[in-house]
Amino acid sequence: DAGVIQSPRHEVTEMGQEVTLRCKPISGHDYLFWYRQTMMRGLELLIYFNNNVPIDDSGMPEDRFSAKMPNASFSTLKIQPSEPRDSAVYFCASRMGGNWGNQPQHFGDGTRLSIL
Amino acid sequence: QKEVEQDPGPLSVPEGAIVSLNCTYSNSAFQYFMWYRQYSRKGPELLMYTYSSGNKEDGRFTAQVDKSSKYISLFIRDSQPSDSATYLCAMSEYGSARQLTFGSGTQLTVLP
Repeated sequence: DAGVIQSPRHEVTEMGQEVTLRCKPISGHDYLFWYRQTMMRGLELLIYFNNNVPIDDSGMPEDRFSAKMPNASFSTLKIQPSEPRDSAVYFCASRMGGNWGNQPQHFGDGTRLSIL
Repeated sequence: QKEVEQDPGPLSVPEGAIVSLNCTYSNSAFQYFMWYRQYSRKGPELLMYTYSSGNKEDGRFTAQVDKSSKYISLFIRDSQPSDSATYLCAMSEYGSARQLTFGSGTQLTVLP
């Protein structure tokens, strides 16, 4: 039973470059979430989708960040241009539909992003 | 002030000890309370889930929720070195589009 799959696992790039993070949610899950985790701010929700439609992007830090979900099995988070302060671990999570609280979110193992 | 406060630790205990992890929160609308465990370089995984107030037990783990005090706890009995991880509390409002609000996590080390 495959879980949430993220790629790449590690990304090191120079400031100003475009970065694309990828996520494959668990098959059958209706919701997809993108989080960012840092020591200073913990785990922060950036954006989430329901049935491929972005529902809440209020956590996206600025216009340099964008996310898409072209189909039920794939999502991308793009940073353009990247800055050193974007360095963090980015997680993707998915869950089934249903009542808000009683469906757990399943997380991928994250992409560790370093912007030099 | 953050909506969810969690002591970051680190917390170090000997094997076999009882561990108590806690979170406080300020949003009285939170109805669902969860504990996630995160091993190093891995994503968080759901450990315990409770709705509203009360206790829930699963093996060596017990989750408690006291909504009157806005305080939740996770107890680990007979702690094992394999329990060494970061533990994150998470909460959500019923019917809210805001999804989960996480604590900052407590780093636990169980020494053999």
